[in-house]
Amino acid sequence: GNSVTQMEGPVTLSEEAFLTINCTYTATGYPSLFWYVQYPGEGLQLLLKATKADDKGSNKGFEATYRKETTSFHLEKGSVQVSDSAVYFCALSGEWGAQKLVFGQGTRLTINP
Amino acid sequence: NAGVTQTPKFQVLKTGQSMTLQCAQDMNHNSMYWYRQDPGMGLRLIYYSASEGTTDKGEVPNGYNVSRLNKREFSLRLESAAPSQTSVYFCASSGVRGGYDSEQFFGPGTRLTVL
Repeated sequence: GNSVTQMEGPVTLSEEAFLTINCTYTATGYPSLFWYVQYPGEGLQLLLKATKADDKGSNKGFEATYRKETTSFHLEKGSVQVSDSAVYFCALSGEWGAQKLVFGQGTRLTINP
Repeated sequence: NAGVTQTPKFQVLKTGQSMTLQCAQDMNHNSMYWYRQDPGMGLRLIYYSASEGTTDKGEVPNGYNVSRLNKREFSLRLESAAPSQTSVYFCASSGVRGGYDSEQFFGPGTRLTVL
């Protein structure tokens, strides 16, 4: 079945550091790929998405490129801020008609000033 | 627009008690979902409703029942709570039926503890 594997956390960085959170997937067909972010005490919200191979999703300085050849969708940001501290989830949607999402286990990111 | 709302925010139950978690959305979405979030395991789908009048099991349905009361509301019921059901429960909704890339909108969650 479909699955998502994320880089183990927690991740701690200093402000303005470069961020990469790895995400790889296993899926049949042509899944869409997502990154969701969960701030403390809140529900998940969509950060970015990509719907086909070589698409790049971007939002709030974060980027991720859908790489079919390596089955990856790594999240990157060039210069993180304290306000980026949150839990990040990679997810895929591969089943037509139901939009069921399969999530990775989440990566907790802490940015120190 | 309130988006997706959930009640209650917190709940403590004793083993064997029952309760219903309520969820409502005001975005006129067709599809609604219930997830549970456990440490180190991401979110796992309990049940979903692709459209009003239909419900289907997700990855972890045992011990739960759902009702799609109308297009806006989707409730999750625990008939006889067990400590293994201690978790944070999220409701979500999405608007496009039949597509791959519809964004899901999440509620703020219900933190449930079963003693």
